[in-house]
Amino acid sequence: QKEVEQNSGPLSVPEGAIASLNCTYSDRGSQSFFWYRQYSGKSPELIMFIYSNGDKEDGRFTAQLNKASQYVSLLIRDSQPSDSATYLCAVNSGAGSYQLTFGKGTKLSVIP
Amino acid sequence: KAGVTQTPRYLIKTRGQQVTLSCSPISGHRSVSWYQQTPGQGLQFLFEYFSETQRNKGNFPGRFSGRQFSNSRSEMNVSTLELGDSALYLCASSTGAGGMETQYFGPGTRLLVL
Repeated sequence: QKEVEQNSGPLSVPEGAIASLNCTYSDRGSQSFFWYRQYSGKSPELIMFIYSNGDKEDGRFTAQLNKASQYVSLLIRDSQPSDSATYLCAVNSGAGSYQLTFGKGTKLSVIP
Repeated sequence: KAGVTQTPRYLIKTRGQQVTLSCSPISGHRSVSWYQQTPGQGLQFLFEYFSETQRNKGNFPGRFSGRQFSNSRSEMNVSTLELGDSALYLCASSTGAGGMETQYFGPGTRLLVL
C-alpha cells in the first residue's frame, strides 16, 4: 500500500519566518511530487512540483526532494498570514500514472 | 483559460438515493481524475478517465462509477448512498499526454447524505 505521511500540525510560525513542511513516502518507484495548498472550504491549489533530486525554487517557495531518503519538503520564506492553510503533499507513482496519493496535510498557521 | 468547473457545488441527499456529479476539464485537457476528500481519510483517488476510457481505478466499491464523454467532460455516479459518502468530491484535469503530469483541481462538489 502506497503511503504518504505528513505531520498534521498545526505548525505555527511568526510572520516573516521560514515555515518548513515535511513529507515522506513509501513507494520507492515514485517519480513526481507535488505540493498543494488548501484553504478551509476550498479545493487544493497547486503550489509546486518537483521531479529531480535537489532543490527547486519558485518565489518564496522551495521544494526539496531526496529520493534516497524518500523525503520531500516545502520551505516557505518570509511567511505571511495569507499562507495560513493546509498543505498537502502528493506523490505520483510513475510516468503515465494519473493517480495521486496524498498525505493528510499539515495545517500551517502564520501568526502576525 | 477557464479552469476546471464542477456542478453542482452542493448537494443534499438521503440514504439509498443516487447522485450524479459533473466535471468539465480545462480546455484542451483530456484526462479527468476524481477524488473523495473526508476529514478522516483525506484525499483519496477514485478513478481517472482519458478518451472516454477508465485508465486507473482506486479502492472504492462498485457503487462509485464514472464516465467520460467525447468532449472530455466527465460524470461520476454514486448509487445507494450511505452516510459515509458525505464528502467533498473533487475532479482534477490534466492534458493526459503522459510523462510527469500536473493535475489541476476544480472547486469540488460538497455532498451531504442524511
